[in-house]
Parts: sequence; structure tokens; C-alpha cells
Amino acid sequence: DTGVSQNPRHKITKRGQNVTFRCDPISEHNRLYWYRQTLGQGPEFLTYFQNEAQLEKSRLLSDRFSAERPKGSFSTLEIQRTEQGDSAMYLCASSLNWAHEQYFGPGTRLTVT
Amino acid sequence: AQTVTQSQPEMSVQEAETVTLSCTYDTSESDYYLFWYKQPPSRQMILVIRQEAYKQQNATENRFSVNFQKAAKSFSLKISDSQLGDAAMYFCAYRSGSDMRFGAGTRLTVKP
Repeated sequence: DTGVSQNPRHKITKRGQNVTFRCDPISEHNRLYWYRQTLGQGPEFLTYFQNEAQLEKSRLLSDRFSAERPKGSFSTLEIQRTEQGDSAMYLCASSLNWAHEQYFGPGTRLTVT
Repeated sequence: AQTVTQSQPEMSVQEAETVTLSCTYDTSESDYYLFWYKQPPSRQMILVIRQEAYKQQNATENRFSVNFQKAAKSFSLKISDSQLGDAAMYFCAYRSGSDMRFGAGTRLTVKP
């Protein structure tokens, strides 16, 4: 197992466009988390899944954001009508279950111009 | 709301010396976990050490150890025999249930 992977690693988009990121967790990890990290700050929780069920969403996750984990394996995070304030690193993490530590992916850096 | 505070934006240490990174947190929960994560430049975050709040014994992982003071809500990380590869951003994190919160980080520089 090569760990958590995220694609793409970098994304540059124009304001108003939609973008979608993918996260492949460590196999057999039931929990998958999405975070946003802006420059000079720690990660901020966005949402998490237990298998295919999205169990919690942060208030940071406006209605322009949507996340899915259709078969309980990989997950996608979509941002519609991107704004410059969406520019950040989007991190994905997975864990075996709630009590286990989270393993992070390398992140997708989004730049909205 | 639970918050995590890292009061040292930057720290530096001489190679082979010891450095301590500070972290305080605020919570009303009694059952929680605390973590230190390391994020090297342009690389992914990796777990350094974890501490369960119900355990009185401080966690240790090789050159990394913590000083967990539950009453004071303090969770500092000590790095002994610092190496050049320890240079990174270090994030303190708190988790209770599914709620995980990170501090703003401390950038550690290791001088040869």
C-alpha cells in the first residue's frame, strides 16, 4: 500500500469555474476526511465519511462545496463557481476507524485566478 | 469550542541539541486525543506522536517525547538530538470524537 494519494497535485483555475479533486485512501480504511489548509495555518476540517456515508460537514463547507464517496473507497471534492478565497491546499486523510490516527495525502493545491 | 494554540510561530535548534515546542488547548471534554504532526516543505503531513488523555504516562517515540499536563491543558513536544531532517512545520492537534482541530503550526529550523 502506497498511502493516501490525491489528484491532481496542483490545479489552477479561473474564478467561476468548477473543479473536482480526487482522494484515494489507504485500502480498508473506513474513514476519510477532507481538510483545507491556507498558507501559514493548520488544516481546517471540512467533512468526513464513514464508508460511503458523509457524517459531518463543517460550516466552512458552503453550498458550493460537495463531497462524495460513492462506494466507500475513493472520494471526490467538488467546488462550484470557484472564488479567489477558495485558493488553498486541500488535504485528504484516512483512518482505519475513529480511534486510529489519520494518514494524510500530499494535498491538492488550488489556485483561483 | 475546542481551540489549539501554538504560541511559537518559529523555533530554531542547533543540530544534536534539544528543542521543545509548546501547545495549549481548550476543551471541556474529558476523553480526547492529542497529536503532533510534522509537515516537511512540500511534503505530506506525517504523525510524529499521539497521546490519549486518559493515560498519565507521557508518550515517547524514539527522539520525540511529550510533556502532557492535563490540568494545565498543555501538550509540548520535545525533540532530542535534533537532526537536519527534523526541519519542518510542526502542528499540534486535538481530537474528540470526529472533531479534529489543529494549531497554526511552529516552523522548526535546524542549524548545522
